Amino acid sequence: DAMVIQNPRYQVTQFGKPVTLSCSQTLNHNVMYWYQQKSSQAPKLLFHYYDKDFNNEADTPDNFQSRRPNTSFCFLDIRSPGLGDAAMYLCATSSRRSGDPIYNEQFFGPGTRLTVL
Amino acid sequence: DQQVKQNSPSLSVQEGRISILNCDYTNSMFDYFLWYKKYPAEGPTFLISISSIKDKNEDGRFTVFLNKSAKHLSLHIVPSQPGDSAVYFCAASDYSGAGSYQLTFGKGTKLSVIP
Repeated sequence: DAMVIQNPRYQVTQFGKPVTLSCSQTLNHNVMYWYQQKSSQAPKLLFHYYDKDFNNEADTPDNFQSRRPNTSFCFLDIRSPGLGDAAMYLCATSSRRSGDPIYNEQFFGPGTRLTVL
Repeated sequence: DQQVKQNSPSLSVQEGRISILNCDYTNSMFDYFLWYKKYPAEGPTFLISISSIKDKNEDGRFTVFLNKSAKHLSLHIVPSQPGDSAVYFCAASDYSGAGSYQLTFGKGTKLSVIP
């Protein structure tokens, strides 16, 4: 089945220790997103890739970086995690068709829950 | 500042009755609205959507109503089933200009359907 896969599902890191979260997709979608969701909060978009073009949200901290080496994979790097970065991180994908005004739904992975000690 | 608001954190409904989940938004540029359903330990899954040019969209037991003048939408589930118990997120989109549509989410409403 085509899907969005996130690894690991649970990640524990230490304060200030860099951590990388992984997302892969078999949907061949050209857009990939990273969201941060804290407890009882709405998912918040951090950034997205449209093909190789990186689009950062204005309020995403510099501590958060992303890489997309190919269509299938996207990584979220947190350079120096703080206690406030503990959250669920959701990866999503969508397919944009050139000139198509109809919104294409986003498909989400199961998320990675990050704990910062 | 929340642009998409779900003011009820939780809702309990008897099996077989109607569930009504509400959502309000403030950004008049939103042109598409979606509902996502999320079970524990899973990512959100798309449920139903509606374009801003429509006021109703129906898919089986699920109907979404949009009132643009009030900037309000609602999701009706009828009849409600225990398997509908989940967190429901309202989301709205506007064209970000970067080749993809951004989603702005509400905080979610936890629906519990009681057998």
